[in-house]
Order: sequence, then C-alpha cells, then structure tokens
Amino acid sequence: DADVTQTPRNRITKTGKRIMLECSQTKGHDRMYWYRQDPGLGLRLIYYSFDVKDINKGEISDGYSVSRQAQAKFSLSLESAIPNQTALYFCATSDLGDNPTDTQYFGPGTRLTVL
Amino acid sequence: AQSVTQLGSHVSVSEGALVLLRCNYSSSVPPYLFWYVQYPNQGLQLLLKYTTGATLVKGINGFEAEFKKSETSFHLTKPSAHMSDAAEYFCAVKEGGNKLVFGAGTILRVKS
Repeated sequence: DADVTQTPRNRITKTGKRIMLECSQTKGHDRMYWYRQDPGLGLRLIYYSFDVKDINKGEISDGYSVSRQAQAKFSLSLESAIPNQTALYFCATSDLGDNPTDTQYFGPGTRLTVL
Repeated sequence: AQSVTQLGSHVSVSEGALVLLRCNYSSSVPPYLFWYVQYPNQGLQLLLKYTTGATLVKGINGFEAEFKKSETSFHLTKPSAHMSDAAEYFCAVKEGGNKLVFGAGTILRVKS
C-alpha cells in the first residue's frame, strides 16, 4: 500500500464550486504539505502544517484553505474554484525536526480541472 | 530567499548517451539540495540529496550530482541514458522549516 495517498486522483468541476482534495499518510510523519504543479513553473507550496495545531501559508495560498484533521490527514479546499486553479496538486510529508537529511515523500497527485 | 534555476525545459539524448541536467541555485546559507524525478502519471520520487560532506552524491538508477559551491551548481548526470529514464526532473533547495523551493523542471526525452 502507498504511504501517501490522495483522493480523488482526477476531478473535473465548474467555476464557483467548492472542492476538497484529501491526503492521508501512513508514514507517521508530523509535517505535511500541499503543492500545485503547473507546466514550466515547477511545484509551488500552497500550505504546510508542522503538526495538527500548526498551519502555515505557503507561497500561493490565496484562494485555498486547509484542514489538518489528524496527524495522518491534511485536506486542501478550494472554496470557489476558478479556471486558473486548474493544475496538478501534490501532497507531501516529512519527519518532524529541522534535520537537513529529512526527505519529503510525495503522493501520486490529483489532477484538477476547473471549467 | 532561496531560488533554483534549471537550464533547459526539455533535454533530448540518445539511448546510451550521457545525460546532463543543469541546476543552479541561490542561497544565503549553506544549501541543502535535492533532485526529484517524476515519471508519467506519478508523484515525485527522490533521486538524491546533498546536505554536507562529500560533494559528489550518488543516487538511485545510476544518477549522480556534484555540488560546486564556487559555481552555485548541482548538475545531475548519468553516464548512459536508458529509455526508462524518460521523465521530468526537478531540482530543489531547502528553505527553513524543511520547506523546498523547486526549479521549473526539465523533461528528459530518450531517443532509441
């Protein structure tokens, strides 16, 4: 079984709809991240969480919100989706601590299309 | 703030040829550098990372990268390309709090 799972894997929605993307992990990591990937732009950080009570905005948080329901679950919401939020979304996890050898582990991604 | 520049959004090599993917970074502190690979329809997988110590870092699948502080570079190489190496490759530098800043990515095409 995969250590980091994302649901759904693909979603097509309409402008103005509320969308939730979910991420679950079985790695026991404290830190979780949400990124979006756009062609030619690489991955950009949307939100990150160092534990259940600690949520932080990333580089491009406008239009997004998150919820850390438990250590293992981190959800990303688009309250009112717009077409320029069409992208590939990745969840990632890493161990607690600023150990420089910490690695981020990525889920398989959710492809979101907003019409 | 740290940043990463990957030269060449697309690189094409013949099977068996040298693979060279370029990455330059900017960082105000000693950098921690990573290369990730993304195969089609999959998430990112760590290829290798540099933290401290030896500047030549070996990773999975025959890839290696050399940290050159004087050139602020961390180029990824593989002596002989294989068809299965076709993927998108991302260079990243670590910011505080274990956040990663990614480059724009380089798509590697391997021709038979």
